[in-house]
Amino acid sequence: AQRVTQPEKLLSVFKGAPVELKCNYSYSGSPELFWYVQYSRQRLQLLLRHISRESIKGFTADLNKGETSFHLKKPFAQEEDSAMYYCALRAGGTSYGKLTFGQGTILTVHP
Amino acid sequence: NAGVTQTPKFRILKIGQSMTLQCTQDMNHNYMYWYRQDPGMGLKLIYYSVGAGITDKGEVPNGYNVSRSTTEDFPLRLELAAPSQTSVYFCASSPPSGRGDTQYFGPGTRLTVL
Repeated sequence: AQRVTQPEKLLSVFKGAPVELKCNYSYSGSPELFWYVQYSRQRLQLLLRHISRESIKGFTADLNKGETSFHLKKPFAQEEDSAMYYCALRAGGTSYGKLTFGQGTILTVHP
Repeated sequence: NAGVTQTPKFRILKIGQSMTLQCTQDMNHNYMYWYRQDPGMGLKLIYYSVGAGITDKGEVPNGYNVSRSTTEDFPLRLELAAPSQTSVYFCASSPPSGRGDTQYFGPGTRLTVL
């Protein structure tokens, strides 16, 4: 069975500082990794996915299969980045799109 | 498109009562899911469906039932509510899972069982 671990429940940074939200996973096959975000009073939504190798709202995440990690990074945090962030894994093969979520990290960016 | 809609937004139940959480999507997605979100625990999959008439258990199915009579609707039924079912419930849908396909979430239902 797969598992996703986000070691930090809470993360606080000041505006303009770099931020890194950690995500580690365990899965024996070839996974797909995602970051989802939930802003205050909004629904959970996709932020980025590893196969797209994209930068969204200044965030990037690189899949490191050797370290089984998918950390989310942004060089200069903004106040509007304050939100709950979830790392999620989708197993390969016939998974029917099911996602396994980490525990979530609440990011607070102070002015 | 409204996307994924859920009703009600909030509900308070007494122990032993029953209720149905409604979920509808208008994106013609085959796959639908129910999750519960507990503080510090992330989202746990309760049930999922790959199409009308086909459902299966997720990680935490006990105390719940689902049905999928149409592509659009995926209601979640609580038969005998217990305090342990106090949570925020999210419904989601996705197209058949090609690589990178994402899930689209509803706004959630906050349920309290007293």
